[in-house]
Amino acid sequence: QKEVEQNSGPLSVPEGAIASLNCTYSDRGSQSFFWYRQYSGKSPELIMFIYSNGDKEDGRFTAQLNKASQYVSLLIRDSQPSDSATYLCAVKAAGNTPLVFGKGTRLSVIA
Amino acid sequence: NAGVTQTPKFQVLKTGQSMTLQCAQDMNHNSMYWYRQDPGMGLRLIYYSASEGTTDKGEVPNGYNVSRLNKREFSLRLESAAPSQTSVYFCASREGGRDEQYFGPGTRLTVT
Repeated sequence: QKEVEQNSGPLSVPEGAIASLNCTYSDRGSQSFFWYRQYSGKSPELIMFIYSNGDKEDGRFTAQLNKASQYVSLLIRDSQPSDSATYLCAVKAAGNTPLVFGKGTRLSVIA
Repeated sequence: NAGVTQTPKFQVLKTGQSMTLQCAQDMNHNSMYWYRQDPGMGLRLIYYSASEGTTDKGEVPNGYNVSRLNKREFSLRLESAAPSQTSVYFCASREGGRDEQYFGPGTRLTVT
């Protein structure tokens, strides 16, 4: 059974701080890694994806991947109250296989 | 570009009734997916269609059927709704050759 684990939270950070969200996965054959943001009552929105070991930056977001340790993380710099949402980690193996999602981490940014 | 659209947005059914949830995408994506999301359970895959003409079961297919009508449309049918099928249903699609998946706005279904 392929699993993706996330701490459910809530993770509370003050406005302006760095929020760090973590995810581990069980399938060593995983090749693609995604972070989705989901506001309450809305659908998941893709915010980052990473395929290679190391860091990938996009604005205030940085995704980090370590395949040897089987973890992927998302850093949000200068956190804003509008970043308060549930963040879903998803992992995909090669080929025509579906994404496997974690249950999400709820982030709360306190003004 | 509307992306992924779903109808209806909300639906209330009585136990035993049937209904079809509709999903369409205008991005020329090959693969389409149906998920349900329940509190504490995360997103669970019901069925998916890797390409037009094919469908496969996901993690929780019991009580559901799907039809990939054409490349744009993928419908989910509940033949005899049960209260356990009360959930939010999301459709998603993915372009061939890429791994990123995009979601529709969801259908909130209540079965009484």
